[in-house]
Order: sequence, then C-alpha cells, then structure tokens
Amino acid sequence: EVQLVESGGGLIQPGGSLRLSCAASGFAVNSVYMTWVRQAPGKGLEWASVIFSGGNTYYADPVKGRFTISRDNSKNTVYLQMNSLRAEDTAVYYCARVDNYRFESWGQGTLVTVSS
Amino acid sequence: QTVVTQEPSLSVSPGGTVTLTCGLTSGSVSSNFYPSWYQQTPGQAPRTLIYTTNTRSSGVPDRFSGSILGNKAALTITGAQADDESDYYCALYMRTGIWVFGGGTKLTVL
Repeated sequence: EVQLVESGGGLIQPGGSLRLSCAASGFAVNSVYMTWVRQAPGKGLEWASVIFSGGNTYYADPVKGRFTISRDNSKNTVYLQMNSLRAEDTAVYYCARVDNYRFESWGQGTLVTVSS
Repeated sequence: QTVVTQEPSLSVSPGGTVTLTCGLTSGSVSSNFYPSWYQQTPGQAPRTLIYTTNTRSSGVPDRFSGSILGNKAALTITGAQADDESDYYCALYMRTGIWVFGGGTKLTVL
C-alpha cells in the first residue's frame, strides 16, 4: 500500500529556514516523480516543485531560488528545503506521487506558518 | 503569464448534471496539457478524480467524466449527489516539469 507521511512543519519567523520531509512506503521514491503542492489557508492548491526519477528538479516561480527539493533513496524520503521564508509561504504542504501526469497519491499535509 | 481559469462557484440540483471547466487566459487547453481533476473537502487532502483528460482514477464513480470542450478541459458530473459538494481543482502540465493548478471551483449541491 502506498503511504506518504509529511513532517517538519511548524512556526517559523520571516527569513528563516525549514526542511519538510515526506516519508514514503509501498514504493521507491527514486522510481517515480515526487512533488510538493501547497495550500494557503482558505486558498486553492498551488504546485511548488517536482523531482523526476532521473533526479532533475523543477520549481514554480514563487519558490524558485528559495526552495530545494531532494531525496534520500536510503531513507525513501523526499525533502523540501525552504529558505528565506515569507509570510506568503504560510500553507499546508502536501507531498504527492506523480503518475501519468497526475498527482496520484497524497500525504496528509504539514502546516508551515511564517510569522513573527 | 498564463493563468489557469476555473469557475469560482457552481451549483447543481441533486440528480442533475453540471460541467466544470478549466481554461487558459492565453491559448487553448488540449490533451497535450494532460488535464487532471481533483476533489477536496475541507480539512482533507485532495483526491484524484480524472487524469490525462478523461481517465478515471481507481474507485472514482462513473458519474464523473472528463473531456475537452471547445478550448477548455471539462469535468462533468452526471447525477450529482449530496456528497459531491466539494472544491474541485484542475491541473495542467504546462511544459517539462511544470504544473499549474486552476483556482478551484466550489460546487454546491442544493
């Protein structure tokens, strides 16, 4: 059974850094595309970043240069390193497995709050 | 910058049919954008309904269908039920490695 469990969210001051984790089970993260999608409170879904099975990474413009997606194959975990955080980065962050251009399986999300 | 558009809100009567659309502020949506659709209820993670324009995800009832209508992707719910009341999002694969979500449609069943 595919399972994704996010962790690492919390309250962080503007300008700070945070690393989110997405622990996967039931499949190997390096065999698929893995993505992060976020949702600000009361707002819609926003795609943030993807890591391809081959290792290529891509980012949405609002996070490019500040966020870095990576994975640890030995831990079967995907990460999102978030630097220079802003109030507008406040959101629930979901990781998802990509299959056939869709976000097939989702985690339960982890809340990041950027506030002083 | 191209934006993905959706109706902010729609309503449907129980048993009725409703079509949600997913367009672009510049250009047309085609199957080359691999449109996908997601349903989300408050406090829950999204659930995938439709992918690659018209393929239903496992376990999705056949009252949900996807298509291209004119220059937009479309999600049609036929025989709407009370528990279809949710937020619906489309996502388009814009180019290598880049997806964009629409703003979402809040569907009311009344």
